[in-house]
Amino acid sequence: NAGVTQTPKFRVLKTGQSMTLLCAQDMNHEYMYWYRQDPGMGLRLIHYSVGEGTTAKGEVPDGYNVSRLKKQNFLLGLESAAPSQTSVYFCASSPSGAISPLHFGNGTRLTVT
Amino acid sequence: AQSVTQLGSHVSVSEGALVLLRCNYSSSVPPYLFWYVQYPNQGLQLLLKYTSAATLVKGINGFEAEFKKSETSFHLTKPSAHMSDAAEYFCAVSYSGGYQKVTFGIGTKLQVIP
Repeated sequence: NAGVTQTPKFRVLKTGQSMTLLCAQDMNHEYMYWYRQDPGMGLRLIHYSVGEGTTAKGEVPDGYNVSRLKKQNFLLGLESAAPSQTSVYFCASSPSGAISPLHFGNGTRLTVT
Repeated sequence: AQSVTQLGSHVSVSEGALVLLRCNYSSSVPPYLFWYVQYPNQGLQLLLKYTSAATLVKGINGFEAEFKKSETSFHLTKPSAHMSDAAEYFCAVSYSGGYQKVTFGIGTKLQVIP
């Protein structure tokens, strides 16, 4: 049982390049989330999805896009990377509702030079 | 609006000493509260959660937390620290609504001194 799997684990981009982060979960969860973690700022929600085919903006969505074409996958895209997007990105999933805890992947460390 | 305040971004305790990590929340409706732990180079793992049942919640690895509505607090404790407890701990709050919006505190790094 893999849980939540994120690929890649590490990536270095030059300013202006694009990339896609992949998140896959095998728990049949409805809700999926993308967070970024920066020192001293905790986790901030970028985008989330409440089911296949749906996406919504979180608190820091600018510069990112997402897609949820299949229930088990949630993709995070950076169209034109900026140094301010250097961060550790975490994907999480939950069955449904506010009462459910989040299940996290192990993160992707992205550096933009 | 909901928010979480974790007092102390770094806490050091001696091995065998009491661990106390503080969390205060702000929510206009009854909250659900969580503590997560993050070990180096890993994602967050659930330690325990409060969902309006018992106010004293027991979690994994000997941790527990008490929900105190009058103090709007949900402090995390462990009677005796182990070296393996060294990690970063996050308090989080959510509430029942149209979707699950979870707000995290900034985290507290726990150092355990031998």
